[in-house]
Amino acid sequence: GDSVTQMEGPVTLSEEAFLTINCTYTATGYPSLFWYVQYPGEGLQLLLKATKADDKGSNKGFEATYRKETTSFHLEKGSVQVSDSAVYFCALTHTGANSKLTFGKGITLSVRP
Amino acid sequence: DSGVTQTPKHLITATGQRVTLRCSPRSGDLSVYWYQQSLDQGLQFLIQYYNGEERAKGNILERFSAQQFPDLHSELNLSSLELGDSALYFCASSGTTSGIGEQYFGPGTRLTVT
Repeated sequence: GDSVTQMEGPVTLSEEAFLTINCTYTATGYPSLFWYVQYPGEGLQLLLKATKADDKGSNKGFEATYRKETTSFHLEKGSVQVSDSAVYFCALTHTGANSKLTFGKGITLSVRP
Repeated sequence: DSGVTQTPKHLITATGQRVTLRCSPRSGDLSVYWYQQSLDQGLQFLIQYYNGEERAKGNILERFSAQQFPDLHSELNLSSLELGDSALYFCASSGTTSGIGEQYFGPGTRLTVT
């Protein structure tokens, strides 16, 4: 079945540091890929997505590129802020809207002032 | 605010008991999903309902059941509770205006089984 693997955490960075969070997936066909973010005490919210190979999703300074050849969707941000402290989940789904998501385990990011 | 509401926020109960978690989706969303988040298992998909019908099933135990009512709210019933059922339970919804994979999550219900 489908699976998503994220790098082990937690990750602690200083403000303005560069961020990379690795994500790889195993799936049949051509899934759509997502990053969701969970701020403290809240539910998850969609951060960005890419629906086909070589697509780049971007939002709030975060970017991720759908790499089919390496089955990866790594999340990057050039300069993190304290407000980026949260748990980040990589996820995938098949076939259109209203389909279930398969999530990675999530990784906690803490950004120090 | 995602527009998805969940009650209660916290629930503390004893082993062997039964509880019901409630979810109201965003206005107009027909799909409701239930997820369990625990430290060791991460975020696991349990079950999906679409307009009152079960649509997809994930790692849901036989002791757990769910339903979606005509007004589209959903309930997750957990019975014969065990210590290992302690977790954060999320409900999410999506609808015809949602993009691929775009689900709106509620704030969750934290269940503690003692």
